[in-house]
Amino acid sequence: QKEVEQDPGPLSVPEGAIVSLNCTYSNSAFQYFMWYRQYSRKGPELLMYTYSSGNKEDGRFTAQVDKSSKYISLFIRDSQPSDSATYLCGMVTAGGTSYGKLTFGQGTILTVHP
Amino acid sequence: DADVTQTPRNRITKTGKRIMLECSQTKGHDRMYWYRQDPGLGLRLIYYSFDVKDINKGEISDGYSVSRQAQAKFSLSLESAIPNQTALYFCATSARTSRSTQYFGPGTRLTVL
Repeated sequence: QKEVEQDPGPLSVPEGAIVSLNCTYSNSAFQYFMWYRQYSRKGPELLMYTYSSGNKEDGRFTAQVDKSSKYISLFIRDSQPSDSATYLCGMVTAGGTSYGKLTFGQGTILTVHP
Repeated sequence: DADVTQTPRNRITKTGKRIMLECSQTKGHDRMYWYRQDPGLGLRLIYYSFDVKDINKGEISDGYSVSRQAQAKFSLSLESAIPNQTALYFCATSARTSRSTQYFGPGTRLTVL
């Protein structure tokens, strides 16, 4: 079983839709959670970062973490064609080591069509 | 100018050839990483380095080696390339003070025939 499982998609939605991207994890040591966005032929870039259960909002993006269920989500409101990209969840362990291993999900390809 | 650069951006080579991928950064970060990305498998860590004298294997280091020539430079070598090493390769950096925020280069698309 992989430590991090991400809905593979692909996901295709019309412009303006609400998008929900999800990951589950099995390692209770994960304490830091993030979402990276990767455009075609580019490297991933950090989109959202959180370390506590609950919601974190940044413009049209909301990151949600439920540590009790080991589940994280990214919501995109009023999706735009420019949001079309691959979205990767990433998780980091905390404590006990000077290196917080960053483990990624498989990525979800999102297409927002006009 | 990009903070993390990778060369080459694309490379086609043959089985058995030695290949070196290079990464340079101007972010002043101590930590550097090499990942490979395959469809459906996400990003997997090959090697990471906390500073010039500290190099560690990641989850898929077999068939790869690295060299940290300076704080700003981290190279990945494939000693004898094989077709299943065909993938996208990314270099990333992070600051000593942050264990989570990694900054990625644009990637190298490597094809081994």
